[in-house]
Amino acid sequence: EVQLSESGGGLVQPGGSLRLSCAASGFTFSSYALSWVRQAPGKGLEWVSGITGSGSTYYADSVKGRFTISRDNSRNTLYVQMNSLRAEDTAVYFCAKGSIAVGGIFVSWGQGTLVTVSS
Amino acid sequence: DIQMTQSPSSLSASVGDRVTITCQASQDISNSLNWYQQKPGKAPQLLIYDASNLETGVPSRFSGSGSGTDFTFTISSLQPEDIATYYCQQCDNLPYTFGQGTKVEI
Repeated sequence: EVQLSESGGGLVQPGGSLRLSCAASGFTFSSYALSWVRQAPGKGLEWVSGITGSGSTYYADSVKGRFTISRDNSRNTLYVQMNSLRAEDTAVYFCAKGSIAVGGIFVSWGQGTLVTVSS
Repeated sequence: DIQMTQSPSSLSASVGDRVTITCQASQDISNSLNWYQQKPGKAPQLLIYDASNLETGVPSRFSGSGSGTDFTFTISSLQPEDIATYYCQQCDNLPYTFGQGTKVEI
């Protein structure tokens, strides 16, 4: 059974940094693309960043230059380093596993971790 | 970026009703369109991928159709457990983009 478990969320001041982690199990981690998708309170879903199994990275314009996605295939863990955080980054952050064929088909999701950016 | 326009934003229906949601892409995305269900406080769940393929384990009352720019999602007979918000999402081009969601109520 595929399991994804996010951690690292919390309250941070504007301009601050946070690193989220997503621990994965139940599949061959290195073979799959993974993404971070966020949801601001009461709002819809927004794709934030993705990384292929081989490590190519992609970002939404809203976070480019501030967020860095990475993965440790030896630890089966996905990360996102979030710097220069803004109030508009407040959201629940989900990690999502792509299908084997298409990284953008999100077949499995974690439960999410809440990031609140506020002074 | 490809814009995804979903309609309606909300709807109210009765148990047993047929429910239809539409999603329009701002450019041709072939069949690279997925549908997700999200219940309050939960993560989204994939229901339909590649416009019309039912994800394993998803009840057959859910279906999808369309290609190019116009897509339709249908619940053939609404059940109480289908109360949720539904999102379309394109995976043809980065950045992947979602529709704004359709809240389905009874």
